[in-house]
Amino acid sequence: DIQMTQSPSSLSAFVGDRVTITCRASQNIRNYFNWYQQKPGKAPKVLIYAASSLQSGVPSRFSGSGSGTDFTLTINSLQPEDSARYYCQQSYKTPYTFGQGTELEIK
Amino acid sequence: EVQLVESGGGLVQPGGSLRLSCAASGFTFSTYWMHWVRQAPGKGLVWVSRIKSDGSSTAYADSVKGRFTISRDNAKNTLYLQMNSLRVEDTAVYYCARDPDICTGGSCYSNFDYWGQGTLVTVSS
Repeated sequence: DIQMTQSPSSLSAFVGDRVTITCRASQNIRNYFNWYQQKPGKAPKVLIYAASSLQSGVPSRFSGSGSGTDFTLTINSLQPEDSARYYCQQSYKTPYTFGQGTELEIK
Repeated sequence: EVQLVESGGGLVQPGGSLRLSCAASGFTFSTYWMHWVRQAPGKGLVWVSRIKSDGSSTAYADSVKGRFTISRDNAKNTLYLQMNSLRVEDTAVYYCARDPDICTGGSCYSNFDYWGQGTLVTVSS
């Protein structure tokens, strides 16, 4: 199975900050890669698919980059509603593994 | 409006069975791949299973292979997950999710663009 390793596991930032979350795959997954946001008690929501494509309706302050084994989610101008857990996921081959998640706290 | 509504969760003893359902509406169900994803209490997301739009191809996580069966009824717009030989470690919220399988530049990309609200399965004696 392809292992997905996210870092950091948690972070705290202020409104207006720029934050970056990284994810590393255990093998080359090209750009078969997605980012999700999950708020407590809610289903996840896709933010970025195919490594860098912004899902319709997602604010443009979210962006994704990377290919191969290393990927990044960047959130510019952090907003209070961005407080959530973020997961990466590979869709290169089944099982479609997720990272362990990154908890983002807004100070 | 796209809607996915899971049902069928509950409390079951180890070794027991449950069948989850996911009723889809607001889109042409028969043209989408569908998935089950689970999340144990306080834990991360774990992909469980996938089924092709016409039901002709399925895939499973190793942890459920041979015990769980994914299926669909496109006439009823419903996705199923038959869970047998349940274990304590299967305790989780189970989500169904739609896969738009976006094709561009000669490649097709899976992601989960709509999710249900989840149904809780508790395996305990």
